[in-house]
Amino acid sequence: GNSVTQMEGPVTLSEEAFLTINCTYTATGYPSLFWYVQYPGEGLQLLLKATKADDKGSNKGFEATYRKETTSFHLEKGSVQVSDSAVYFCALSDPFGNEKLTFGTGTRLTIIP
Amino acid sequence: IAGITQAPTSQILAAGRRMTLRCTQDMRHNAMYWYRQDLGLGLRLIHYSNTAGTTGKGEVPDGYSVSRANTDDFPLTLASAVPSQTSVYFCASRRAGGSYNEQFFGPGTRLTVL
Repeated sequence: GNSVTQMEGPVTLSEEAFLTINCTYTATGYPSLFWYVQYPGEGLQLLLKATKADDKGSNKGFEATYRKETTSFHLEKGSVQVSDSAVYFCALSDPFGNEKLTFGTGTRLTIIP
Repeated sequence: IAGITQAPTSQILAAGRRMTLRCTQDMRHNAMYWYRQDLGLGLRLIHYSNTAGTTGKGEVPDGYSVSRANTDDFPLTLASAVPSQTSVYFCASRRAGGSYNEQFFGPGTRLTVL
């Protein structure tokens, strides 16, 4: 079956540091890949997505590239801000499973000033 | 209403009681989903509905039931709550008919079963 493995947290960084959160997946076929973000007390919001190999998703300074050869979709940001503190979820969408999402366990990120 | 609403925001429930979590969306999305979020486990799919009148089981359906009488509403019922159902529950929806459309999430319901 499908699965997503992401870097365990929590992750604590200083403001302006470089961020990487690792995500790898197992899936049949060609899934779409997503990063969702959950700010404190809120539901999940889509941060970025990529629908095919070598696509790069980007939003709010975050980027992730769909790497089919390594089955990875690592999230990166060059300079994090305090406002980026949140829980980040990697997910895949199974095109043969009615687009149901399979999530990783989430990575809590805290940015300190 | 804009997007997805869930009610109640939070609830404390005695074990054995029946509880219905409500979810309403105004985006005319075909597909709707219920997830539970537990620490260290991420989000797990409970039930889903691809269109009004149809439902399907997700990864962790036991102890839960759903109905989809119309496009907008997708209630989740716990017939006889147990402490292991203590969790945060999220409803989501997606516009079907195209590929790779994102799921939109509600704000969640925090449920505690004692």
